Parts: sequence; structure tokens; C-alpha cells
Amino acid sequence: AQTVTQSQPEMSVQEAETVTLSCTYDTSESDYYLFWYKQPPSRQMILVIRQEAYKQQNATENRFSVNFQKAAKSFSLKISDSQLGDAAMYFCAYRSLYGANSKLTFGKGITLSVRP
Amino acid sequence: DGGITQSPKYLFRKEGQNVTLSCEQNLNHDAMYWYRQDPGQGLRLIYYSQIVNDFQKGDIAEGYSVSREKKESFPLTVTSAQKNPTAFYLCASSIGQGSNQPQHFGDGTRLSIL
Repeated sequence: AQTVTQSQPEMSVQEAETVTLSCTYDTSESDYYLFWYKQPPSRQMILVIRQEAYKQQNATENRFSVNFQKAAKSFSLKISDSQLGDAAMYFCAYRSLYGANSKLTFGKGITLSVRP
Repeated sequence: DGGITQSPKYLFRKEGQNVTLSCEQNLNHDAMYWYRQDPGQGLRLIYYSQIVNDFQKGDIAEGYSVSREKKESFPLTVTSAQKNPTAFYLCASSIGQGSNQPQHFGDGTRLSIL
């Protein structure tokens, strides 16, 4: 079974600075998807960014980018030019490419606070 | 606009009572999921369904039941056998297996014990 580990329960960043959120995972599969979801105080889950394991290029979405290290099974999220609206819980998630279902395996999440 | 609608937003359960959480989607997605979220635990999968009239247990299915009679609907019943039902429940849907399309989530239902 796959596992996803987010070892930092909380992080803080100064507005306009850059912060990196860590995520590691364990799998025996060679092809899979990785996601970062954001959950603001409203509790809605919002997709931030996704990465296909077969792509070597790191995904980027505006101020959000990932550092995907397949051999190390690491998938960190970098937020540049942090804004107050970035304050939320962030979840890393894994999904198999194949198999009988498309279920997500989530990490426990990290709470990010942004200091004005 | 397409999306997932969960209702009610807040729900209270009395001792020994079954309650049902509603989840409806108009995204034409085949797969639907129910997650439970507890503080410090992340999201844990309760049940999922890949197609109408079929569903599978997730990691924490005990004390819960589901049905999938229509593609658009995937209600979750929290039975009296679930001794610790207080949590935030999230419903999600996706196109299906083998796709890089993400799961879309509803706004959740918070269930509390009276």
C-alpha cells in the first residue's frame, strides 16, 4: 500500500517571501500521479498543482511549483511571493495510474500561516 | 456551473440514530468518493464507487453504508454502529481510473453528536 508523509505539521512565512512544503511518499509503482491540495478555513479542497510521475519536468502553476524527485520519492511544493490568501492547510496526495480505482492517499497535512 | 453539492452543511446525530449525508454531482463523473477528516489525521477514505450500482469499502468503512443508484448521487449513511461519528465529511468525484484529472470536492458536511 502507498503512504504519504508530511512531517511538518505547521509552517510560517512572511508575506512576499518564499516557502517550501515537504512531502515524501512510499510506493512500489513506477507510474502514478501526485497532487497538492489547499484547504482554506472554508474547508473546501482546492487543487493547487499536479504532477505525472512519468514527466521529468517539474509542474508549475503561477506562483506554485514543485520539486519532484522520483528516486528520492519526494514531492515538495514551493510557494513564491506568498500572499495572505495562501494561509491554509496543504495536503499532498498520491494516486495510482492503474488499478481498480482512482482513490487518493493523503498525507496528514500542513498548516501554513502567512505573516503580514 | 458543474460541481458537487453536499447537504446539509451541518448535521447533528442523536445517540442510536442513523443519519444520511447527501452528495450530488453534475460533472458526469463515473467515480465518487467519501472521505472523513479529523484534526491532525488528514483525509481517510470511507467508501468509493467507480460505477453505478457498485461500490467498494475504503480504509475506514465500519459503521458506514452507501448506495449508488444513480450516477449523480452517492449518499453516505452514518449508522449507530459508528461510535465516533463527529468529523468533517467530504464527498469527491472524478472521471475515473487511469486519468490524470483530479478529484473534485464538495464543500463538506460537519457531523456532530447531540
